[in-house]
Parts: sequence; structure tokens; C-alpha cells
Amino acid sequence: AQKVTQAQTEISVVEKEDVTLDCVYETRDTTYYLFWYKQPPSGELVFLIRRNSFDEQNEISGRYSWNFQKSTSSFNFTITASQVVDSAVYFCALSGLSGSRLTFGEGTQLTVNP
Amino acid sequence: DTEVTQTPKHLVMGMTNKKSLKCEQHMGHRAMYWYKQKAKKPPELMFVYSYEKLSINESVPSRFSPECPNSSLLNLHLHALQPEDSALYLCASSQPLDRGRYGYTFGSGTRLTVV
Repeated sequence: AQKVTQAQTEISVVEKEDVTLDCVYETRDTTYYLFWYKQPPSGELVFLIRRNSFDEQNEISGRYSWNFQKSTSSFNFTITASQVVDSAVYFCALSGLSGSRLTFGEGTQLTVNP
Repeated sequence: DTEVTQTPKHLVMGMTNKKSLKCEQHMGHRAMYWYKQKAKKPPELMFVYSYEKLSINESVPSRFSPECPNSSLLNLHLHALQPEDSALYLCASSQPLDRGRYGYTFGSGTRLTVV
């Protein structure tokens, strides 16, 4: 069975602060895929990143960075210099090799205040 | 075209109505999905179609009936729904995960209200 845990239900920060969203996962698969999605109030799930289990390189994209640590089964997401437009629910998700089932965490509601 | 298009965006229906949700993609993805999302909860998988065949049904009540007429189109037929079925219904598509750098592409959803 696969499980994704996002322990932070809600986070509130002031604009320009850095914020890290935690994600811990469980799987018995040796090959798996991890994802982060952003869901603004409009409802659409916006793809942010995908990481393969065999690629532990961390990644930076503008103000976003991701830290994948297989040893601790974590895939954390950091937003640097947060902006009001970053306010949304962020989901971490996990899929096995077959790709037929995407398991989501409970999501973290991020509010960035001006 | 890198989008999944869902129509309608909003739907209000009575418990005796029959309606359909539509989902379309032209990315050549051969797997398509229906998810249901209640407020403040993550999406829950309902159905998976792989190469136009139903491969997963997550014990969804028969008042929800999926259909995949071709590789680009996915429908969800609704009949005799209950108020608790009110939710955001999300469609997604994907290519095999061992290809490319992406994975699942989601539509913007249909907000369904059952009255």
C-alpha cells in the first residue's frame, strides 16, 4: 500500500518569507514517482514537479526548490521569498511504476499575507 | 495542445436528472481518469481507463457511469445522484511514467451541485 503524509494542514506566512512544505511517503515499490501539485481556489490542479525514485538530484525552478531524500522517504518543497499569488493548497502525490493510481497527501493550505 | 478540457465548469442538477460530464485531451495520452474531490480533501480516484478500456473502478456507485468513446474523450454519466455527491469532479490523463518528464495532466474540473 502507498501512503503520503503532509503533516502541515495550514501554514500562514508574510510575503517574502521562505516556507517549506513537508511530504513523507511510504511505498514498497522500488520504482516510483513523486509529484507536487498546486490547487488555487479555482480548482485546477497545476503540475509543479515530478521526481523519479532513481533520481535523487534536488531541483530548483525560480523561487521553487525541492529536496528529495530517499533515506528519510521525504520530498519537501520550499518556496523562497513567498508571494501572495503562492496562496493555494499544495498536494504531494505518489505513483507506482504502472502509473495507474496517484495517491495524494491531505494537502497543505498555504496562505501568504501581504 | 497540452490541456485537458472539461465541460461544463459548473452544473446544478436535481436528484431525478440525468446529466453528463465531458473530458477531452489531444496529447495522445492513453490513460484517462475521473477523480472526485470534496471540499478541503484530496482528490479520490473513481475510474481509470487504459487504452479505452475500463481498468479500475474504485467501487463507485452505479449512479456514476463512465464511458470512453475514443482515445481523446472521456464521459461521466450521472443519474439519480444524491446531495452528498456534490463535489468537484476532476478529469486527468497521462502517458506511461517511464516516458517523458511529466505525468498526470488535470482538467480544471466540474463543480457539481446536487439539489
